[in-house]
Amino acid sequence: GQNIDQPTEMTATEGAIVQINCTYQTSGFNGLFWYQQHAGEAPTFLSYNVLDGLEEKGRFSSFLSRSKGYSYLLLKELQMKDSASYLCAVMDSNYQLIWGAGTKLIIKP
Amino acid sequence: GAVVSQHPSRVICKSGTSVKIECRSLDFQATTMFWYRQFPKKSLMLMATSNEGSKATYEQGVEKDKFLINHASLTLSTLTVTSAHPEDSSFYICSASDGAVGYTFGSGTRLTVV
Repeated sequence: GQNIDQPTEMTATEGAIVQINCTYQTSGFNGLFWYQQHAGEAPTFLSYNVLDGLEEKGRFSSFLSRSKGYSYLLLKELQMKDSASYLCAVMDSNYQLIWGAGTKLIIKP
Repeated sequence: GAVVSQHPSRVICKSGTSVKIECRSLDFQATTMFWYRQFPKKSLMLMATSNEGSKATYEQGVEKDKFLINHASLTLSTLTVTSAHPEDSSFYICSASDGAVGYTFGSGTRLTVV
C-alpha cells in the first residue's frame, strides 16, 4: 500500500533550527509537497520537490532523495508563528496526492 | 498567485438540514477540484475528485448521495451535505488544479451540526 510517515509532534526553541522528516512508499512519484497548517485553517503551500537535492526558500528549505524515499523540511531562525502542523504529501503515478498525518511543531520561547 | 475562495468559513446547522459549500477559483480555470474532510489532529481525507462538466469520482466509503458535488463551470464547484447529522461535523476543504502540477486550497469550512 501507499504510506507516508512523519513524526507526530516535535518541540523546538525560538531562534533555533528544526528538521521535520518524511519517508514515503507510493505507487509512482511525481513530486513531494510540504504544507503548513495552522489550527483551524486550511493548509498553505511551502515547497515542491521533484528532483533530488535541496530547495531553499527564505527560512525554509526542503530536501528530497528519491532513491531513499525520503524528504525533510528544514526551518531556520524559528519564530513563534511557525508553531503549526506541517504536512508532507506525495503525488503518485496517477497524480493523486497522498498525505502524511502531519507533524505538530511546538515552538517554545 | 492562484486564489481559491471557499464559503462559508463557518456554518452551524440543525440535524436533518442540508448545507452547501462553495469553492471558486478566482484567477484561473480549475479543470479539477478536490474535496477533503479533516478530523481533529488527522490528515486530510480525500472525499471526491470532480472534473468540470462530468460526475465526481468518490473515494471508497464516501456516500455520493449524501455528499453531492457539482462542478458546473471551470471556476465553481459546490459540495452539498444533505440531511446533515452531528457525525458530519468536520472541517471541509476544497482545492483546485489548473491541470499543471500544484494545488491551491480554499480556506476551509468548519461545519457544526447540532
